Amino acid sequence: AQKVTQAQTEISVVEKEDVTLDCVYETRDTTYYLFWYKQPPSGELVFLIRRNSFDEQNEISGRYSWNFQKSTSSFNFTITASQVVDSAVYFCALSLNSGYSTLTFGKGTMLLVSP
Amino acid sequence: GAVVSQHPSRVICKSGTSVKIECRSLDFQATTMFWYRQFPKQSLMLMATSNEGSKATYEQGVEKDKFLINHASLTLSTLTVTSAHPEDSSFYICSARQLLWEEKLFFGSGTQLSVL
Repeated sequence: AQKVTQAQTEISVVEKEDVTLDCVYETRDTTYYLFWYKQPPSGELVFLIRRNSFDEQNEISGRYSWNFQKSTSSFNFTITASQVVDSAVYFCALSLNSGYSTLTFGKGTMLLVSP
Repeated sequence: GAVVSQHPSRVICKSGTSVKIECRSLDFQATTMFWYRQFPKQSLMLMATSNEGSKATYEQGVEKDKFLINHASLTLSTLTVTSAHPEDSSFYICSARQLLWEEKLFFGSGTQLSVL
């Protein structure tokens, strides 16, 4: 069975601070996909990234960056120079193969960015 | 703009009544839609997979007679909570899978159900 652990329940930072959201996963499969989603107060989940298990390259997209380390089964997410609009709940998720139907979500980390 | 429309966003009902939640894919056909349930400060739990033109596949522990799913068209799936009880109060969220040159999943904005 798959498991995704987001140990940080809530993080509070001040605007312009950098913040890292942790994600640790468990699976016995060698082929899997990792995701990050953002859930703003409006409720819908917004897709941020999908990374397959064979690609350990770190990725940067604007102020967002992701660090995938298979050795520690972690897929951490860093927001640089945080902004108030980044306030949301962030979910890490894992799926087997490429199927979204097997998405297993972590419990989410609530990020509060204050001005 | 939103590519998946979920309606209503909030509903309050009396115990024993049934509530229908709609999930529509906008501008694309979704042969597969998913229904999740989310408790406060908890993860999203997959309830069922809705396939157009066939019966939904329910996850273990989800009562199919209580949570009726109908996916009658390529753009619409509905979840009906029958004979709702206070313990059914939760946030329900749907997603629709788009299959073009790559697979994508889009989520609705969720429905907060409160059963009195």
